[in-house]
Amino acid sequence: GDSVTQMEGPVTLSEEAFLTINCTYTATGYPSLFWYVQYPGEGLQLLLKATKADDKGSNKGFEATYRKETTSFHLEKGSVQVSDSAVYFCALSGLAGDDKIIFGKGTRLHILP
Amino acid sequence: DAGVIQSPRHEVTEMGQEVTLRCKPISGHDYLFWYRQTMMRGLELLIYFNNNVPIDDSGMPEDRFSAKMPNASFSTLKIQPSEPRDSAVYFCASSLDRARPTYGYTFGSGTRLTVV
Repeated sequence: GDSVTQMEGPVTLSEEAFLTINCTYTATGYPSLFWYVQYPGEGLQLLLKATKADDKGSNKGFEATYRKETTSFHLEKGSVQVSDSAVYFCALSGLAGDDKIIFGKGTRLHILP
Repeated sequence: DAGVIQSPRHEVTEMGQEVTLRCKPISGHDYLFWYRQTMMRGLELLIYFNNNVPIDDSGMPEDRFSAKMPNASFSTLKIQPSEPRDSAVYFCASSLDRARPTYGYTFGSGTRLTVV
């Protein structure tokens, strides 16, 4: 079935390091792809999205490019901050006949000062 | 808009008691989702509604769990009787059908349930 696989955490980086969180998907159609972020004690928030192949979503310095050929949507940031410490979820939606968004298991990110 | 509103934020109850969690979706949104989040199992979809009608409840763990949506602005998730293994954070989310592929879901802040 349709699914999302993302790298297991926790990921621990020093402040100003480069971040990559890998995400790949399995889908029969052309889904929309999302990254959500969950800060401690809060609900999930939409971080960025891409709705078609080769689209690049970006927000708050984070970027992800919809790669249909590799079925990937990796999250990147050039210089992380302590405030980026959170859990990040990759997700897909928009598949024909399915109302749901499918979430990955989440990747916990720790940024050390 | 105030976003998706959940209440209470925290609930501590004794095993065997009934627990009711509440959710107010964003006005105009026609989909509502209930999720449960634990360290062990991550984020699990329990049930979702479209235009107040339950569409898929296959994620509801057992008969002790029930959910209702009596109108477009209110939904409840009830656990009766509660057990310690029900301890988790329960999230409600809503979306606008035609916008979902572009805008995804809007989540509430969650209810942290502890059953002792």
